[in-house]
Amino acid sequence: VQLVESGGGLVQPGKSLKLSCSASGFTFSSYGMHWIRQAPGKGLDWVAYISSSSGTVYADAVKGRFTISRDNAKNTLYLQLNSLKSEDTAIYYCARIPRRVSWYFDYWGQGVMVTVSS
Amino acid sequence: DIQMTQSPASLSASLGETVTIECRASEDIYSNLAWYQQKPGNSPQLLIYDANSLADGVPSRFSGSGSGTQYSLKINSLQSEDVASYFCQQYNNYLTFGSGTKLEIK
Repeated sequence: VQLVESGGGLVQPGKSLKLSCSASGFTFSSYGMHWIRQAPGKGLDWVAYISSSSGTVYADAVKGRFTISRDNAKNTLYLQLNSLKSEDTAIYYCARIPRRVSWYFDYWGQGVMVTVSS
Repeated sequence: DIQMTQSPASLSASLGETVTIECRASEDIYSNLAWYQQKPGNSPQLLIYDANSLADGVPSRFSGSGSGTQYSLKINSLQSEDVASYFCQQYNNYLTFGSGTKLEIK
């Protein structure tokens, strides 16, 4: 199992960014996936979830600004980040849940840094 | 929202010692609890799920216990490679993480 994030970088407040997470080594279409973020030197914060059938759930802090999606044909998970704020600065991880009804994470990507600053 | 209170925030112990990290939930989470290890510069790795089930490949010196609102992670025979931050996470109602415990070798 391998999860590889990409698409991070430095972006100005109010702008947009799209993160990708390329999955391999498992049947991507069968698993729910999450995005979790970690501000520098801080703890872990859940961002969003997408089920194997593309149902979605968002944390209140990002609802209406971020969109999680997936392309099962490309084995890729996405996170569209709009209206970015300085407090969105963090390492963003994609992670897999092994069981649909249990949201713990058995595999994580290496993370991608998003810095929101003018 | 379920709050997870993790303690201690930091911990220093000697090689070979046994250490315990605690997490308290703001309501009953019915053993829907996981523990993760995060080494500096790396992503978190699953150690324990369902409060006391050892994840694949995790050394048996790690163990989890607890029920209701009180949970703990125990590390027996502390080794140098155990230097890391440890996080608990509840998944009974959406999910929330504890604030983490930074473990160092004395």
